[in-house]
Amino acid sequence: ETGVTQTPRHLVMGMTNKKSLKCEQHLGHNAMYWYKQSAKKPLELMFVYNFKEQTENNSVPSRFSPECPNSSHLFLHLHTLQPEDSALYLCASSQIATGYEQYFGPGTRLTVT
Amino acid sequence: AQTVTQSQPEMSVQEAETVTLSCTYDTSESDYYLFWYKQPPSRQMILVIRQEAYKQQNATENRFSVNFQKAAKSFSLKISDSQLGDAAMYFCAYVGTYKYIFGTGTRLKVLA
Repeated sequence: ETGVTQTPRHLVMGMTNKKSLKCEQHLGHNAMYWYKQSAKKPLELMFVYNFKEQTENNSVPSRFSPECPNSSHLFLHLHTLQPEDSALYLCASSQIATGYEQYFGPGTRLTVT
Repeated sequence: AQTVTQSQPEMSVQEAETVTLSCTYDTSESDYYLFWYKQPPSRQMILVIRQEAYKQQNATENRFSVNFQKAAKSFSLKISDSQLGDAAMYFCAYVGTYKYIFGTGTRLKVLA
């Protein structure tokens, strides 16, 4: 595996379910990010981890819970989501020292029913 | 607060022609980075080009170049000799001190 991978690629869940999205980067980067991409809206930064420490939480509802066990893995735990949470969730990583150039994963297409 | 504006939701260009995508931003910071990312249909977002704010010289990557006007807070992307593979959503992005802000994107269509 190379670059940034995300699993699953597609997820359909009910509002009462609990699920997790997984992201893994194979680039030796020290920062990881979660973004939400909805149609006709700017890419929304959700969480930032630098050296496994969360440094940014852009007022994301508590039904989204991130976890970064090491600098290569990032999870997004989901519970009691709403239909408006349906979107493409993108993971990215970067090497802070080289100017924040981000490498993106393919995304997880989430549908909340 | 920083903002990034892409005023062209959609653009079209004839194959082999040149097209320019616009991006303006607002910030009070003096040190930051600007990026153009490309997202082909159903494919991963990839970096097209990057510009450091402290550099006066405009960045160039093969057929892609930028016109960076720091005082005007403008950061346009020029694609020369457009190819069918250039068809994608293009996002302008600003990265400052713990700020990562993307524009709404411009959909580029390349006509054969």
